[in-house]
Amino acid sequence: RKEVEQDPGPFNVPEGATVAFNCTYSNSASQSFFWYRQDCRKEPKLLMSVYSSGNEDGRFTAQLNRASQYISLLIRDSKLSDSATYLCVVDQGGGYNKLIFGAGTRLAVHP
Amino acid sequence: DTAVSQTPKYLVTQMGNDKSIKCEQNLGHDTMYWYKQDSKKFLKIMFSYNNKELIINETVPNRFSPKSPDKAHLNLHINSLELGDSAVYFCASSQDEGMNTEAFFGQGTRLTVV
Repeated sequence: RKEVEQDPGPFNVPEGATVAFNCTYSNSASQSFFWYRQDCRKEPKLLMSVYSSGNEDGRFTAQLNRASQYISLLIRDSKLSDSATYLCVVDQGGGYNKLIFGAGTRLAVHP
Repeated sequence: DTAVSQTPKYLVTQMGNDKSIKCEQNLGHDTMYWYKQDSKKFLKIMFSYNNKELIINETVPNRFSPKSPDKAHLNLHINSLELGDSAVYFCASSQDEGMNTEAFFGQGTRLTVV
């Protein structure tokens, strides 16, 4: 089983749609969870951290379910500029900031 | 003001050559990393340094040797390049090696070995 698994997509959605990405992780010792965004041929950038209580940043909502080892990202009112690859990122645990990246889910928002 | 900068951005070289990629961060971070992103887009950590000390050394060939002259720099030297080394290499830094710290990435170096 991969350490971090994501549906690679692509998700093709019209502007204004709501889209959800899911991610599962294998290491129950993981403590830190993130969503990163990577545009084509660019570096990854932090989109948001994911907290146990769930958190929201504008149109973006992240949820964490530790029991199921499952993380989600919800994007409401999709914009063309949201088109990118979304990377689920989990720390390996053990006290070091060793980040394990999922392969990413590609989102394409069309007019 | 580029926070994490790496050079060169593109590198095309022949098999068997030795090459270096340089990385500098001006964020005052203590921890720096090298990641490799292969053709399948997986980002995998290679090395991590905290205050010039090697913290993480993943299973990479010993042809890859990181060097950290100071905590703001982490260079990657690769000996005897092979076709399979072709990938995008990202340098990154974070405030410390603890939990929940954001990693800032450089723009990447696209290495092509021919």
